[in-house]
Amino acid sequence: GAGVSQTPSNKVTEKGKYVELRCDPISGHTALYWYRQSLGQGPEFLIYFQGTGAADDSGLPNDRFFAVRPEGSVSTLKIQRTERGDSAVYLCASSLLVRDYGYTFGSGTRLTVV
Amino acid sequence: AQTVTQSQPEMSVQEAETVTLSCTYDTSESDYYLFWYKQPPSRQMILVIRQEAYKQQNATENRFSVNFQKAAKSFSLKISDSQLGDAAMYFCAYRSINTDKLIFGTGTRLQVFP
Repeated sequence: GAGVSQTPSNKVTEKGKYVELRCDPISGHTALYWYRQSLGQGPEFLIYFQGTGAADDSGLPNDRFFAVRPEGSVSTLKIQRTERGDSAVYLCASSLLVRDYGYTFGSGTRLTVV
Repeated sequence: AQTVTQSQPEMSVQEAETVTLSCTYDTSESDYYLFWYKQPPSRQMILVIRQEAYKQQNATENRFSVNFQKAAKSFSLKISDSQLGDAAMYFCAYRSINTDKLIFGTGTRLQVFP
């Protein structure tokens, strides 16, 4: 596609539920990144993929968070047993090559846990 | 660990005037990259300008320029001839040459008045 697409744009879920957030990167981009942006803060790194493999998942806050990219294109961020503190905007970015200057960000998914 | 600090939560400028946004960072590395990103209400992070630490010359992109002071670990953004469309959150970010993670500051909200 022309840009990085994230769905849904907004998601409201109840505490304890499971959610999946989807990122569709620019076609051909090998690197894909997830960031989390809490209210009033800058984005914080969660994980990045080089192809299908998670090259660095050091930013995932705990084992409730998991991400996959099975075919090296679309990625899904999965959050189990959601907590109110998980409420944030989840941003995805992609780039043609790892350590490329040109990250392209999507518009994010705003997750609200009630 | 590297940190990025933006000490101005909000700034305002009149249309056609010039404004400078401040950013300081802390690192023990000698080579790295610095970025300014713009985040409008659409939430998409848009790259404004980047600077390689090994380059002494300050980066410039049209109306946007930086004042990079490596010894002082300072990286300010100057916006000349401000336009209404410049109104947004601006984030300063750091990236080591050895990783793919961006480390963001907390942002500065820029208002532009006609």
